[in-house]
Amino acid sequence: GAGVSQSPSNKVTEKGKDVELRCDPISGHTALYWYRQSLGQGLEFLIYFQGNSAPDKSGLPSDRFSAERTGGSVSTLTIQRTQQEDSAVYLCASSLGTGIWNSPLHFGNGTRLTVT
Amino acid sequence: KQEVTQIPAALSVPEGENLVLNCSFTDSAIYNLQWFRQDPGKGLTSLLLIQSSQREQTSGRLNASLDKSSGRSTLYIAASQPGDSATYLCAVLDSGNTPLVFGKGTRLSVIA
Repeated sequence: GAGVSQSPSNKVTEKGKDVELRCDPISGHTALYWYRQSLGQGLEFLIYFQGNSAPDKSGLPSDRFSAERTGGSVSTLTIQRTQQEDSAVYLCASSLGTGIWNSPLHFGNGTRLTVT
Repeated sequence: KQEVTQIPAALSVPEGENLVLNCSFTDSAIYNLQWFRQDPGKGLTSLLLIQSSQREQTSGRLNASLDKSSGRSTLYIAASQPGDSATYLCAVLDSGNTPLVFGKGTRLSVIA
């Protein structure tokens, strides 16, 4: 399939450990987004990448969170020293570009993170 | 700051009924509005995208309308089926390079 791929689908980690979540966007999509969805909450924007521009990190909740996108394709979201409140589903999405107003967002199935 | 509200939070209807889901947004200066569907344990699937210059979009039994000036959109589902049961989210793209802002969704249950 040519959809957005996220791995792992589930991750259980102990409090204080670091985790890496991976997103492989649709080929040719220049815009990539990370969102977080907690139980009973809406989607919380974390960070987005658009081409070679500096990423918009305005949604990252703390300096324990970081993300990178290598070669304009695969992205990794890293959470250091995980806390229980980090438990959520982390969703990645991609689109043709933020300047293309008729380009819908395509989401992966998410990574369910549980911090024990 | 853009805020998106969806009412109701949950809705249960019998199979075959036509229904309307509502979405409102506070800043009418949007580039587009998108409706998504989310099944349990899955990501979001794009259903319809309405550009700011458009008033509605249709796909099969789904029709989405947009009234930008009043900050409202509706998703109309005709002849609902149990397979339509899911959470429906709307999201708006503001002017400029900003991410989509989502509502919290409406959880729909269609009872056979």
